[in-house]
Amino acid sequence: AQRVTQPEKLLSVFKGAPVELKCNYSYSGSPELFWYVQYSRQRLQLLLRHISRESIKGFTADLNKGETSFHLKKPFAQEEDSAMYYCALSGGNQGGKLIFGQGTELSVKP
Amino acid sequence: NAGVTQTPKFQVLKTGQSMTLQCAQDMNHNSMYWYRQDPGMGLRLIYYSASEGTTDKGEVPNGYNVSRLNKREFSLRLESAAPSQTSVYFCASSGQRNQPQHFGDGTRLSIL
Repeated sequence: AQRVTQPEKLLSVFKGAPVELKCNYSYSGSPELFWYVQYSRQRLQLLLRHISRESIKGFTADLNKGETSFHLKKPFAQEEDSAMYYCALSGGNQGGKLIFGQGTELSVKP
Repeated sequence: NAGVTQTPKFQVLKTGQSMTLQCAQDMNHNSMYWYRQDPGMGLRLIYYSASEGTTDKGEVPNGYNVSRLNKREFSLRLESAAPSQTSVYFCASSGQRNQPQHFGDGTRLSIL
């Protein structure tokens, strides 16, 4: 079954601390993995996609096919990073459909 | 540059009422999607349209219908609203397969 799992509903850290939001997936094939972010009452925005291998707002994510993971990391969290983060998967046979994880709420405290 | 526009932003319905949520995109995208967002459930796909003239069921299609009116517009209809359909509904579009999706602002729908 195709599935995306984000094991943490809420992650609370202090400003300046490292952050890692976990994402594991189940997919038989070569998926495209994405991280989307939703700031309070705003639309979802693309944060990262694994194929571009870039750093956005200090966040990085590496696709680990052996562990079927795509964890999102940032070395020093900022208060403005507080948001809802969704990991999502798209497969070649899915017509562009995204399968989302349950989401992790990141709270960065001052 | 509007991107994906959804109307209305908020709506309260009574059980049994019908309602159509509108979505339009100005990016000339082929594919459009409707999701619902519920606490602890993430976003779940209701229906999608891979191209103009086609629609397909997603993960949670029961109680909904869609119309891909033209390349720009993709509407979601609730024929007989139920309290279980209280949710935030997001429309999205993408240009090509596996390209990132662009989302609208969402519609907060409450059914009493």
